[in-house]
Amino acid sequence: GAGVSQTPSNKVTEKGKYVELRCDPISGHTALYWYRQSLGQGPEFLIYFQGTGAADDSGLPNDRFFAVRPEGSVSTLKIQRTERGDSAVYLCASSLGGGLYEQYFGPGTRLTVT
Amino acid sequence: KQEVTQIPAALSVPEGENLVLNCSFTDSAIYNLQWFRQDPGKGLTSLLLIQSSQREQTSGRLNASLDKSSGRSTLYIAASQPGDSATYLCAVKAAGNKLTFGGGTRVLVKP
Repeated sequence: GAGVSQTPSNKVTEKGKYVELRCDPISGHTALYWYRQSLGQGPEFLIYFQGTGAADDSGLPNDRFFAVRPEGSVSTLKIQRTERGDSAVYLCASSLGGGLYEQYFGPGTRLTVT
Repeated sequence: KQEVTQIPAALSVPEGENLVLNCSFTDSAIYNLQWFRQDPGKGLTSLLLIQSSQREQTSGRLNASLDKSSGRSTLYIAASQPGDSATYLCAVKAAGNKLTFGGGTRVLVKP
């Protein structure tokens, strides 16, 4: 079956612009996660959805970052007033549920803010 | 706060040598630990998942051990090949369901 997909694969934007990053999880997976990976570092947690609701958004760095999952499937990560420090690879993962279930990762979106 | 450390940060070995990658974590109250592989510019590929009740997992040339009480995991790759060159990441999952990652070990296997 299809894995986790993310679009676009690359996004270049100017400082101050708004961007949306999309994640399509594996069909039937109720849990969805967003992570951010800066160059040379391990991924860092941003937000976790169980169904349509954000169960944990403690990793969002500030109020310029927002994510939604209105129908419990596709999720969109939204970044307002982008800054050069937002440049990173944004990774999405999904799993059958929380707890013991394995997370499966998408290929990521590389965001570059110029 | 959970912290995950991977040592060494980089490793270079000749082809055929066994690889030993280390991961340590500060809070032993985990659900599970995963080892991932990441090729340059690519996403994460899951290699092995060890539940907190398990002590090891094996897949082909890969073997991962878990000592929860001491907060350590080791990934062994037998008879390394140039195709094993990549960055290897470990991550632990605890209450809250998020994964906490180490910084990775960058491996180069020389032909």
